[in-house]
Amino acid sequence: EADIYQTPRYLVIGTGKKITLECSQTMGHDKMYWYQQDPGMELHLIHYSYGVNSTEKGDLSSESTVSRIRTEHFPLTLESARPSHTSQYLCASSEEELRETQYFGPGTRLLVL
Amino acid sequence: DQQVKQNSPSLSVQEGRISILNCDYTNSMFDYFLWYKKYPAEGPTFLISISSIKDKNEDGRFTVFLNKSAKHLSLHIVPSQPGDSAVYFCAASADNYGQNFVFGPGTRLSVLP
Repeated sequence: EADIYQTPRYLVIGTGKKITLECSQTMGHDKMYWYQQDPGMELHLIHYSYGVNSTEKGDLSSESTVSRIRTEHFPLTLESARPSHTSQYLCASSEEELRETQYFGPGTRLLVL
Repeated sequence: DQQVKQNSPSLSVQEGRISILNCDYTNSMFDYFLWYKKYPAEGPTFLISISSIKDKNEDGRFTVFLNKSAKHLSLHIVPSQPGDSAVYFCAASADNYGQNFVFGPGTRLSVLP
């Protein structure tokens, strides 16, 4: 049973606001990921982390930033939300092993007006 | 340019019959593949994997076939059940991506009672 949580599940916010999407996992996994998915499109990796104080940009360029101060916590921040940021954001984690499968959170659906 | 393609956005199958979901990839360096299943309002969950050293992997009602020369894999569900109705994502990884996964856009499977 995967224990990975995301809050909020849904967020509607105005342009220019700063937002933080929370992601926490209780499995002690070292690797964590953020994906962005538009309806009917593939999941795009936007950030990942190998462990505490490690963050890397993914395949898809994103204006968001992430931090990894604690193993269990991998928040994603948008300093100034825009309508183009409207999407679903999925957080995932995996153990620090070769090709370990990823456990996904339920996602956050973001709508920027 | 999509590196992992799932050309059928949707598929409908009668309960008890076989469901075949297809996935094609363009990067010959991909050597590990996963299938994920996603229900509405939930994150994707891992279903089955296959490495390029195999051409078949079976787990209960689910079998994944890999044809490396054609850069094609397929997921077979036999027999299909209404609870299998979900979106299925194919994902691939390669060492030169740091073992991060590239996801396809998904295929929505509907199993009709």
